[in-house]
Amino acid sequence: AQTVTQSQPEMSVQEAETVTLSCTYDTSENNYYLFWYKQPPSRQMILVIRQEAYKQQNATENRFSVNFQKAAKSFSLKISDSQLGDTAMYFCASQTGANNLFFGTGTRLTVIP
Amino acid sequence: DSGVTQTPKHLITATGQRVTLRCSPRSGDLSVYWYQQSLDQGLQFLIQYYNGEERAKGNILERFSAQQFPDLHSELNLSSLELGDSALYFCASSTQSADTQYFGPGTRLTVL
Repeated sequence: AQTVTQSQPEMSVQEAETVTLSCTYDTSENNYYLFWYKQPPSRQMILVIRQEAYKQQNATENRFSVNFQKAAKSFSLKISDSQLGDTAMYFCASQTGANNLFFGTGTRLTVIP
Repeated sequence: DSGVTQTPKHLITATGQRVTLRCSPRSGDLSVYWYQQSLDQGLQFLIQYYNGEERAKGNILERFSAQQFPDLHSELNLSSLELGDSALYFCASSTQSADTQYFGPGTRLTVL
């Protein structure tokens, strides 16, 4: 079974500052994928970043980067230069093979002007 | 815009009724997933289809069923609706194995 845990229900950050959202997961599989999805007030689920477990290099997408610690089963998301449009729920998710996503409970991030 | 479309955007119905939610995947995507997002259960996987065939089932109730048609669009049928079925239903699609899933805008179902 897979589990994904997000221990921070809510966080806030000042505009232009950096914030890190935490995620831990558990899986017995060797080949898996990890994701961060963003859900703004519009409720649309938007892919932020993806990490393949077999890759040691941490994924980056512009202002978004991850710290993937495979042994610790940790997958945190760092948002640099936070913008007002980053205000959203952020969901960490894991996936093995062609299977479905398992989601954490989410972290509500508020960017303060 | 993810390229995944879902209709309708909103649906309001009464307990005991039946509704059908529709999803059109991104062009070229063979796999369709259905998820339910509710306040008390979070985001949960319901069912997956791949190229017309059921691939996997999650926490889908027996009152719910789905299918994927030859043109690859999918429908989720919810029957004998209960108040607790009120939720946001998402469809996601991917090309094939282990590819990233892209989500549609969701259908907000309210059961009164």
